[in-house]
Amino acid sequence: GNSVTQMEGPVTLSEEAFLTINCTYTATGYPSLFWYVQYPGEGLQLLLKATKADDKGSNKGFEATYRKETTSFHLEKGSVQVSDSAVYFCALSEGVNQGGKLIFGQGTELSVKP
Amino acid sequence: NAGVTQTPKFRVLKTGQSMTLLCAQDMNHEYMYWYRQDPGMGLRLIHYSVGEGTTAKGEVPDGYNVSRLKKQNFLLGLESAAPSQTSVYFCASSPQGPEQYFGPGTRLTVT
Repeated sequence: GNSVTQMEGPVTLSEEAFLTINCTYTATGYPSLFWYVQYPGEGLQLLLKATKADDKGSNKGFEATYRKETTSFHLEKGSVQVSDSAVYFCALSEGVNQGGKLIFGQGTELSVKP
Repeated sequence: NAGVTQTPKFRVLKTGQSMTLLCAQDMNHEYMYWYRQDPGMGLRLIHYSVGEGTTAKGEVPDGYNVSRLKKQNFLLGLESAAPSQTSVYFCASSPQGPEQYFGPGTRLTVT
């Protein structure tokens, strides 16, 4: 079945450091890919998405490129801030015909120190 | 707009007790979902609905029931709670597809 694997956390960085959170997926067909973020004590929020191969999603300085050849969707940010401390979830969608269901990775906790 | 709201925010149950979690959305979304979040396991889909009066099983449906009698509400029931159901429960909604809007969560402890 379809699945998503993320790098394990927690990841601890200093402010202004470069961030990469790895995400790889296994899927039949051509899924859409997403990054969701969960700030402490809150629900998940959509951060960015990509719907086809080579698409780049971007939002709030975060970027991720849909790489079909490596089945990856790594999240990057050039300069993290303390306010980026959160748990980040990579997810794939099985499509509208499958009820728009999402399959999530296990989440990666990011802690940014001043 | 309130978005997606969940009631209650916290609950402690004894083994064997029953309860219902309420999810409400004011965005006129067709699709609604219930997930549970456990440490190291991400979010797992319990049940979902693609419209009023419809429900379907997700990845981990055992021990749970749902109902979608009104478009804006999606109820999750536990008939006989077990310690394995201790978790944080999230509801989400979407217009039609994977861009989902999440509620703040309900933290449930079963002793």
